[in-house]
Amino acid sequence: QKEVEQDPGPLSVPEGAIVSLNCTYSNSAFQYFMWYRQYSRKGPELLMYTYSSGNKEDGRFTAQVDKSSKYISLFIRDSQPSDSATYLCAMSDYNTGNQFYFGTGTSLTVIP
Amino acid sequence: EPEVTQTPSHQVTQMGQEVILRCVPISNHLYFYWYRQILGQKVEFLVSFYNNEISEKSEIFDDQFSVERPDGSNFTLKIRSTKLEDSAMYFCASGGLAGGNEQYFGPGTRLTVT
Repeated sequence: QKEVEQDPGPLSVPEGAIVSLNCTYSNSAFQYFMWYRQYSRKGPELLMYTYSSGNKEDGRFTAQVDKSSKYISLFIRDSQPSDSATYLCAMSDYNTGNQFYFGTGTSLTVIP
Repeated sequence: EPEVTQTPSHQVTQMGQEVILRCVPISNHLYFYWYRQILGQKVEFLVSFYNNEISEKSEIFDDQFSVERPDGSNFTLKIRSTKLEDSAMYFCASGGLAGGNEQYFGPGTRLTVT
């Protein structure tokens, strides 16, 4: 099942860098887009969600959705070592219920 | 801050045995889910539950699996006759009145089938 594609990385950046994480998808019916952060052997933690296209900002995090390109992004500004984790994108189509389709996750390391 | 809790954190069982994984969703949420994550693979949807019945299930959720909300707080996943390939992290999630646009995950139960 390849409905959601995400580069697994690993991605390594210096502290303070801007990080860009991306997912592409094939199902044009997806309307809800989420980003989760997952630390090793822990449950996914919801960071941001957006509905349809557009941008959403929350502190150092910005989520972007481009439905015409079937492409979503998460930007992390002023990255910190505590941001080191795996970042998962997830999306859903309300018409088929609330099932989330996840990407494989991108492993991020922020080096002090 | 309210959170989803799961017990046990780690369950080891022998092939063919039955296991019950337990979850306490966030108290005012109405939608409940189970997902699994096999080591190194994607988080996969198993089942969603609303108004005391299954609202959606994936191909993975076959007759071996069942869910129950036995009381007002607990939500359980039962796996009958476990197989080696059932070894995975099992995550419970709950969502609020918005219909599950936001799903909050528990810390997971690591199931090891030997």
